[in-house]
Amino acid sequence: RKEVEQDPGPFNVPEGATVAFNCTYSNSASQSFFWYRQDCRKEPKLLMSVYSSGNEDGRFTAQLNRASQYISLLIRDSKLSDSATYLCVVMEYGNKLVFGAGTILRVKS
Amino acid sequence: DTEVTQTPKHLVMGMTNKKSLKCEQHMGHRAMYWYKQKAKKPPELMFVYSYEKLSINESVPSRFSPECPNSSLLNLHLHALQPEDSALYLCASSQDSDQPQHFGDGTRLSIL
Repeated sequence: RKEVEQDPGPFNVPEGATVAFNCTYSNSASQSFFWYRQDCRKEPKLLMSVYSSGNEDGRFTAQLNRASQYISLLIRDSKLSDSATYLCVVMEYGNKLVFGAGTILRVKS
Repeated sequence: DTEVTQTPKHLVMGMTNKKSLKCEQHMGHRAMYWYKQKAKKPPELMFVYSYEKLSINESVPSRFSPECPNSSLLNLHLHALQPEDSALYLCASSQDSDQPQHFGDGTRLSIL
């Protein structure tokens, strides 16, 4: 079983749509959780950290369920510029980051 | 623009060459990392330096040799690489090793 699992997509959505990505992780001792986005042939960029209480940054909302070992990302009012690969990232014991394989989002006009 | 600077952006080398990748950050971060990323795959951790000391080596072959000359610089020395080592090499830094990491834009390495 992979340590961090994501639906690879692609998710093809129209502009203005709401889209949700999910991620599960296998190590219950994982300490911190993040969403990164990566554009084609570019470096990963931190989108947001994820907390148990849920957190929101503009159109983006992230949620963590430790009991279910499940992380989500909701994007509202999708823009063309949101098209990218979204990486679910888990920090394990020893402060090692483990990346999911990524979910591809394509927003179309 | 990224605050983690990597040079060179592209590198083509033969299997017998010796070269170095360089990474620099001036954010006062005390943890720095090397990752390898193959096409259509997520980044894979290679090395972690914390307070200028190597804290994690993910069983990387000895043909890759990291060096941290000071808190702002991280090098990756390459020698006798194989074609399968062709990849994007990403450097990252974080304020401390339990904080979110910020990536440089990478060195795209091709081994002939």
